[in-house]
Amino acid sequence: EVVMTQSPATLSVSPGERATLSCRASQSVNSKLAWYQQKPGQAPRLVIYDASTRVTGLPARFTGSGSGTEFTLTISSLQSEDFAVYYCQQYNDWRTFGQGTTVEIK
Amino acid sequence: QVRLQESGPGLVKPSETLSLTCSVSGDSITNSDFYWGWIRQSPGKGLEWIASIYYSGTTNYNPSLKSRVTISVDTSKNQFFLKESSVTAADTAIYYCTRGHYGGKTYYPPGEWGQGILVTVSS
Repeated sequence: EVVMTQSPATLSVSPGERATLSCRASQSVNSKLAWYQQKPGQAPRLVIYDASTRVTGLPARFTGSGSGTEFTLTISSLQSEDFAVYYCQQYNDWRTFGQGTTVEIK
Repeated sequence: QVRLQESGPGLVKPSETLSLTCSVSGDSITNSDFYWGWIRQSPGKGLEWIASIYYSGTTNYNPSLKSRVTISVDTSKNQFFLKESSVTAADTAIYYCTRGHYGGKTYYPPGEWGQGILVTVSS
């Protein structure tokens, strides 16, 4: 099983600042990496797939990068609606999720 | 716009079989551009893929759950189903039904999710 490890577990950021989230795979997943955003009481929402492709309508402040085993989600200027839990998921070898990074207001 | 709605019992006894239904509206479950799946979320295990099915009948299962899980579809009702046998407290979770794009032999991550249904395994 491909193990996905996210860091940090919690990220405290002030509105308007940049947030950088990391996701590491235990083996190469090529570029088959997705990011989801989840808010309390809601289902996860797909935001990035193929490591760097934004879903339709996603603001340009969200940027995904990386390939192989190291991936990053950057939110350039945090807005109030961006505070949430973010999960990465690989779909190169079956499908496994990371444990999540909570982006909270500093 | 597609809508997915989970239904089923919220409480299941240990060792029994969990049965869930996902009712799809706004799209046909035979649409060859998409596949359908189940994902669960629990405090202990986080998010976990369970199974998926393509309109042709092709199924894929989480290797760790494969022996206990069956996914199926009823095209006449535009529904798909999950059965999970011999449940234990570890199967307590929110269960989501999902739709994802299929293309070029790739099962892309699901862009559409149901609201989720909490299933508790307890006597």
